[in-house]
Amino acid sequence: QQQVKQSPQSLIVQKGGISIINCAYENTAFDYFPWYQQFPGKGPALLIAIRPDVSEKKEGRFTISFNKSAKQFSLHIMDSQPGDSATYFCAASLDSGGGADGLTFGKGTHLIIQP
Amino acid sequence: NAGVTQTPKFQVLKTGQSMTLQCAQDMNHNSMYWYRQDPGMGLRLIYYSASEGTTDKGEVPNGYNVSRLNKREFSLRLESAAPSQTSVYFCASRELSGPFNEKLFFGSGTQLSVL
Repeated sequence: QQQVKQSPQSLIVQKGGISIINCAYENTAFDYFPWYQQFPGKGPALLIAIRPDVSEKKEGRFTISFNKSAKQFSLHIMDSQPGDSATYFCAASLDSGGGADGLTFGKGTHLIIQP
Repeated sequence: NAGVTQTPKFQVLKTGQSMTLQCAQDMNHNSMYWYRQDPGMGLRLIYYSASEGTTDKGEVPNGYNVSRLNKREFSLRLESAAPSQTSVYFCASRELSGPFNEKLFFGSGTQLSVL
């Protein structure tokens, strides 16, 4: 049973455009929702995260939108740049991020920003 | 700033051979994790260690064993490698600095091919 569903699997956006990646979760006990960014040949790294009592969090060009009733959250990348080309993973966690077994990841989105 | 160090970076095995993937972190984190990454499957948890002296199964533990040697080191062993274990393996450690402040630090990965 996949607990975090991520879409699309791949995405091509023109430079300067908006990239949008969506995730949906099933377990209502999840209460911490981070996004990780992975460049080729590297391990994933934390990009931005949101807690469920907040509907939106913005850090620079990256914004998480969270809809608790729909059990969905999304990553928006404004003014997308070629350097944003990477694989993005959404994730969810229990216990305010302190669940012993860590994060449940989505399957990832391969994002390409065309110059 | 070493962070999480994994060895080896690449390995080719024949079916039935055994090997151990090594992982060490220098951030004094309690929790450590082993994930495998396969195309279209995202990051799947193999085993985790919530603290020194404890280990637990994740989503895909079959065919693997782990050892939490001390607080720094967490190794993953394949006793009898199978082609289905061809994957990229990532070790991670977790920083937990309060509620909603969880951050995983990943190593650079081990690319394993089983022929």
